[in-house]
Amino acid sequence: SQQGEEDPQALSIQEGENATMNCSYKTSINNLQWYRQNSGRGLVHLILIRSNEREKHSGRLRVTLDTSKKSSSLLITASRAADTASYFCATASGGSYIPTFGRGTSLIVHP
Amino acid sequence: DAGVTQSPTHLIKTRGQQVTLRCSPKSGHDTVSWYQQALGQGPQFIFQYYEEEERQRGNFPDRFSGHQFPNYSSELNVNALLLGDSALYLCASSAWRESQETQYFGPGTRLLVL
Repeated sequence: SQQGEEDPQALSIQEGENATMNCSYKTSINNLQWYRQNSGRGLVHLILIRSNEREKHSGRLRVTLDTSKKSSSLLITASRAADTASYFCATASGGSYIPTFGRGTSLIVHP
Repeated sequence: DAGVTQSPTHLIKTRGQQVTLRCSPKSGHDTVSWYQQALGQGPQFIFQYYEEEERQRGNFPDRFSGHQFPNYSSELNVNALLLGDSALYLCASSAWRESQETQYFGPGTRLLVL
């Protein structure tokens, strides 16, 4: 079973636009992470946000966490063609640090 | 500083056969986790090894087994392959006593079962 569910499943935008992806989950979490995957290759860790944090930034990435709504969002500003990839949210809960992944959002950035 | 490496990159097997996939963790990491990612899905946790022992296991049958060596590298073995075992197998490493929260993933082994 998958804890987090990303929305939308697919997103197509023009270079320079912002991209927003959302993740909803069902149970209380210790942390939530966002990963990127290019063309079915390995996952690249983007950002980790803990349950007591509300917002984190890393370069052009901004992640928010709303534990009352059990949701998170990933914003990529000024997108580039190289941002084309699948983006996954992953949650860890209970006493485990093992992340449980959603199905991902497929982002296409057109040059 | 080498990242996580996996071998082979691609593999084709037939139903009923057995397969062994290999993983070397990132330098300084002592914990290895394995994931299965079916096409169009997110990775699913198989199991995690630390100090040569299986520490946690996901919802996978006993056909999936593993091993960790003293140098922290790891193997994933799958017996009696089924068509549904076709997937990308990802290895991730982390440091047990530091933050296990962040796992570093390898490029994966793509297994096709015919």
